[in-house]
Amino acid sequence: DQQVKQNSPSLSVQEGRISILNCDYTNSMFDYFLWYKKYPAEGPTFLISISSIKDKNEDGRFTVFLNKSAKHLSLHIVPSQPGDSAVYFCAASVWSSYKLIFGSGTRLLVRP
Amino acid sequence: DVKVTQSSRYLVKRTGEKVFLECVQDMDHENMFWYRQDPGLGLRLIYFSYDVKMKEKGDIPEGYSVSREKKERFSLILESASTNQTSMYLCASSFGGGRGNTQYFGPGTRLTVL
Repeated sequence: DQQVKQNSPSLSVQEGRISILNCDYTNSMFDYFLWYKKYPAEGPTFLISISSIKDKNEDGRFTVFLNKSAKHLSLHIVPSQPGDSAVYFCAASVWSSYKLIFGSGTRLLVRP
Repeated sequence: DVKVTQSSRYLVKRTGEKVFLECVQDMDHENMFWYRQDPGLGLRLIYFSYDVKMKEKGDIPEGYSVSREKKERFSLILESASTNQTSMYLCASSFGGGRGNTQYFGPGTRLTVL
């Protein structure tokens, strides 16, 4: 049973436009959410996180939104750049636990 | 900067060989993790360790074992490598608990078993 789902395996956007990556979860105990970016042949890099006490967190071009009632989070990248082309994983955790539960990833392609 | 290093970037082994993958972190993190990444399956947890000599099975521990003799070092062992263990192996570490669940990853080891 997949507790964290990324239903879009891939997304293609034009440079300069907004990229929106989505993630759904089923476990209402999750209270900490993260996004990672992964280039081929490299390890995932931590991008941004959000606690369940917030509904939005921003870091430069990256904003994560959390909708707890819908059990949905999204990552917005504005403006998108070709260097953002990578696989993006969302992950969720219960704060008291060591473990992160990862989605299957979305491959983002930003076209010049 | 958090630094997690893995002993090899690329490794080719034969079926039946014993394989050792080593991971070292320099941030004094309590927790260390081994994942494998396969296309379309995301990151799947093999084993994790929350303290020296302590370990817990993840979601796919079969065919693997681990060792953590020192806080900074976590080893993944494939007792008898098989072709279905061809994958990207990722090590990660975190403080965990009240100090944060953010995990920091090493560069990965691409293992091919022939």
